[in-house]
Amino acid sequence: GAGVSQSPSNKVTEKGKDVELRCDPISGHTALYWYRQSLGQGLEFLIYFQGNSAPDKSGLPSDRFSAERTGGSVSTLTIQRTQQEDSAVYLCASSVYGTGGTQYFGPGTRLLVL
Amino acid sequence: DQQVKQNSPSLSVQEGRISILNCDYTNSMFDYFLWYKKYPAEGPTFLISISSIKDKNEDGRFTVFLNKSAKHLSLHIVPSQPGDSAVYFCAAGTGGATNKLIFGTGTLLAVQP
Repeated sequence: GAGVSQSPSNKVTEKGKDVELRCDPISGHTALYWYRQSLGQGLEFLIYFQGNSAPDKSGLPSDRFSAERTGGSVSTLTIQRTQQEDSAVYLCASSVYGTGGTQYFGPGTRLLVL
Repeated sequence: DQQVKQNSPSLSVQEGRISILNCDYTNSMFDYFLWYKKYPAEGPTFLISISSIKDKNEDGRFTVFLNKSAKHLSLHIVPSQPGDSAVYFCAAGTGGATNKLIFGTGTLLAVQP
């Protein structure tokens, strides 16, 4: 299919380790978003990309979180020195810029920090 | 400070009846609203949206109503089907460049056969 894909689907890591989460948006979508959903919570915005630049990083919870996007396509979310409170489902979405917010989501990466 | 609130964590409805899911927001700058549906272990799926210039949008069995003065929107599903059982999230955004969405905490809908 031509939907948003994310990898890995599940990740278990030890506290203090670094993790990288990958997102492949829908081809042609210029906007890309990262959200996370902690247990019992709604989706929390993390960062937004327009092309390769990130005009809105306001949701990144700490400087341990970073993200990049290359070639206007694939994005990587990196969490350094993971903590147990980082355990969540990390969701990526993409949209055609200017369509008024219809974002299409990937299946998510379930991260568990032990 | 939760800008988008779904006060009912769960709702149970009989098949064939109407499901009404509610959502309240506090930020008057929001100018478009969306509903997403989420099955376990899957990402949210876009369902229906409405802009602030309208008060109703209909798509098949799904209708979204917007009451701007009350800062309230609702999703009606008629008739409800067992396959509609899922978590429903409302989301709101502004027409600005970021298109960042603010999501509610979700309502788990169970449609009983």
